[in-house]
Amino acid sequence: DPKIIQKPKYLVAVTGSEKILICEQYLGHNAMYWYRQSAKKPLEFMFSYSYQKLMDNQTASSRFQPQSSKKNHLDLQITALKPDDSATYFCASSPGTANTGQLYFGEGSKLTVL
Amino acid sequence: QQKVQQSPESLTVSEGAMASLNCTFSDGTSDNFRWYRQHSGKGLEMLVSIFSDGEKEEGRFTAHLNRASLHVSLHIREPQPSDSAVYLCAVKATGGNNKLTFGQGTVLSVIP
Repeated sequence: DPKIIQKPKYLVAVTGSEKILICEQYLGHNAMYWYRQSAKKPLEFMFSYSYQKLMDNQTASSRFQPQSSKKNHLDLQITALKPDDSATYFCASSPGTANTGQLYFGEGSKLTVL
Repeated sequence: QQKVQQSPESLTVSEGAMASLNCTFSDGTSDNFRWYRQHSGKGLEMLVSIFSDGEKEEGRFTAHLNRASLHVSLHIREPQPSDSAVYLCAVKATGGNNKLTFGQGTVLSVIP
């Protein structure tokens, strides 16, 4: 059974709209992350959270806002969607933020913006 | 800014033959190098994580790091058709936060 639940698995949105990607982890981890995989581009780091606090933000646009309502939740709100936002968004978690902490990934949410 | 390049883009091997994948990186101060596998439509599965120059074996997967050459490789012993997937090299900068820089991936096909 997957221990990191991402919902929805697929979604289609129109330009200018807003969507929220859901991520819950049941591994008891303290750190959570968002990564993005766009077509023809490598997987890229977006955000990291530790104990529900933002640790690192590599996303220039304020249209991307992580939301952590509980320790095991890290949702991603995307506003004013653009076609370039089309990508698969992966949530991940790790026991801590230390070097050795293995990252566990969810199966991704594939977003298509028309 | 860290750059990670993988080669080849795709690789086909016969079941049981060794598969070798390559990864070069630009920042020699990076402190952790990982190989992940991604089956179609699934999340990433970590195969091996290496910190020091030399080899690190995890089952049939062996990573070999040469920091001076800015090179890390992955060797898969006795590959099986179920090993067919995209293999991703990831490099972590010194420090915490698990902020990884990924390569673009190598598509491995293992034919029976």
